Amino acid sequence: DTAVSQTPKYLVTQMGNDKSIKCEQNLGHDTMYWYKQDSKKFLKIMFSYNNKELIINETVPNRFSPKSPDKAHLNLHINSLELGDSAVYFCASSPRQGANYGYTFGSGTRLTVV
Amino acid sequence: GEDVEQSLFLSVREGDSSVINCTYTDSSSTYLYWYKQEPGAGLQLLTYIFSNMDMKQDQRLTVLLNKKDKHLSLRIADTQTGDSAIYFCAESKGELSFGAGTTVTVRA
Repeated sequence: DTAVSQTPKYLVTQMGNDKSIKCEQNLGHDTMYWYKQDSKKFLKIMFSYNNKELIINETVPNRFSPKSPDKAHLNLHINSLELGDSAVYFCASSPRQGANYGYTFGSGTRLTVV
Repeated sequence: GEDVEQSLFLSVREGDSSVINCTYTDSSSTYLYWYKQEPGAGLQLLTYIFSNMDMKQDQRLTVLLNKKDKHLSLRIADTQTGDSAIYFCAESKGELSFGAGTTVTVRA
């Protein structure tokens, strides 16, 4: 049973396309996150949702739109993909909002824009 | 990553101890974490330390915390080839804020 699952694992697409990455957690956690890991392995938070409500929206282009239909799902839609969007995107969840509870991460989606 | 700093690479011989160092900025962080990322995988929580502790030991892992200097270290005893991975230090600054990761390579 995968606790935090992301699909797809790999995504190769052309510039200008629109794509979505899905994330689901079966841990009963209230809070979910999207992180971006660049080619230098640097991890930066993009969004945080608590019980379907947006809590954190870091400086991310508005081409990125998260959607949380329920607290077990947090999807990431990206419009007009650019070369610089190539990265590994990680979904994570935690029991409650805040960093004191530890995060459980998905295995990542490697996005390559060509 | 600007707030949490780690050295980028560490090479260690199998059987030796590895020490990974980290400095952080937020003295109010309640917890500090070490995560491990194996190739092609997500981040796995290795261990954490509460901010009022100086040391925590968990089998082969020892975490040392120097709050005055805002310095955190992870020692892995008897390093094995399976320990080859990227190790991330993280502070609980609102949300988790990560360092850039230390790539540990274990050589035979």
